[in-house]
Parts: sequence; structure tokens; C-alpha cells
Amino acid sequence: EADIYQTPRYLVIGTGKKITLECSQTMGHDKMYWYQQDPGMELHLIHYSYGVNSTEKGDLSSESTVSRIRTEHFPLTLESARPSHTSQYLCASSPLTSGQETQYFGPGTRLLVL
Amino acid sequence: GQNIDQPTEMTATEGAIVQINCTYQTSGFNGLFWYQQHAGEAPTFLSYNVLDGLEEKGRFSSFLSRSKGYSYLLLKELQMKDSASYLCAVRDTSRTDKLIFGTGTRLQVFP
Repeated sequence: EADIYQTPRYLVIGTGKKITLECSQTMGHDKMYWYQQDPGMELHLIHYSYGVNSTEKGDLSSESTVSRIRTEHFPLTLESARPSHTSQYLCASSPLTSGQETQYFGPGTRLLVL
Repeated sequence: GQNIDQPTEMTATEGAIVQINCTYQTSGFNGLFWYQQHAGEAPTFLSYNVLDGLEEKGRFSSFLSRSKGYSYLLLKELQMKDSASYLCAVRDTSRTDKLIFGTGTRLQVFP
């Protein structure tokens, strides 16, 4: 059973607001990821981290930023939300080992920007 | 470039068998994953293949042919709760082992 949490689960917010999506895991995983997924579409990697103080941008350009100050915590921030940011945001983690590194996903945050 | 193809939708009857295909073209390969995602929920891990052949896990089996860039997920004795999207994902060594996801196959199981 994966222990990875995301808050809030649902968020409706106005344009221009600053928001932070929280993600935390209790499995001690070094690798963490943020994906963006629109309905019926594939997951797109927007940020990832291989450990504390390590963050990289993913394949899909995103105006969001992330930080990794603690192993268990990987928050995502949008400084000024826009309607184009409306989507589902999924956080995932995996151990830093070779071989079968299953990514465990959090429940996701559904964001609606008005 | 990277490309993962799977059918958009499939339907099947309760108790039947269904095969969901996935073809991929990636610069590097270090494993193929299948995830199940119910509507509005997070993906959950189903299977992992890195060598050619069939991996069986209960009602679910997954097959891989690396030379053909092809995998399938086989679901037996379908149940209504199997109605979900099934995501094929490839770990691409040319992209520091990040996962590339397909769009997913939405499976509907009817009584």
C-alpha cells in the first residue's frame, strides 16, 4: 500500500491567485514527480526530483515551480494561476534503486482556475 | 522521438477476456509498466516487463516483445470493477529513466 498524499483534492480559484499544491510521502522515497493530466489525455511530466535540493523540469513546459527541502515533501507552486492551468495534477514517488522502480501515485489535485 | 500507442476505448462483457495492446517507439528502453486508473483516481501499478515474455499475476497478464516494440495486457474473467483506463508506460533510458505514458485505453465492462 502506497503512502503518498496530496492536498487539496479539489481547488477552485480565481485568476491571478498564488497556489501551492502539497505532496508528501512516508515511504522514504528519493525520487518524486509531478505530472499534469487533462481528461482523456496522457500524463505529462512537469517536474521531478531525485533527492533533497534536487529539482528538474520535465517534458511539458510549466509555469509552476517546485522545491524539495525535505525528502518526504515536494510542493508545487503557481505564482499566478490562469485558466490554462486548469487540469489534474498528480504527484508520484519511487525509490532510488535500479530495476523495477514502480512509481506510486497520490490521489491527485483537480484544479479549476476561473 | 518517443511515441506510445494504445487504443482509445474498448468494451467487453463480464466474465470475458480482453487484450489491450500497446506499441512503443523510444530512443531507449528499460522496462514497460501497465497502470490501472479509475475515473477521478490516481493510477495504480499493475505489472512490469523488462524481458521478453509473459508475466502472469492473477487475472492479469502482461506480455512484452522488445524487438517488435509491443506489449499487451490481458485481463481474464472480467469484472465490472475492471472498468477503468489502462495506461501503458515505458521507461526511456535516453531520458534519464523517466516514464513516458500513453494516452490510456478506457475499458468498459458490461454485464
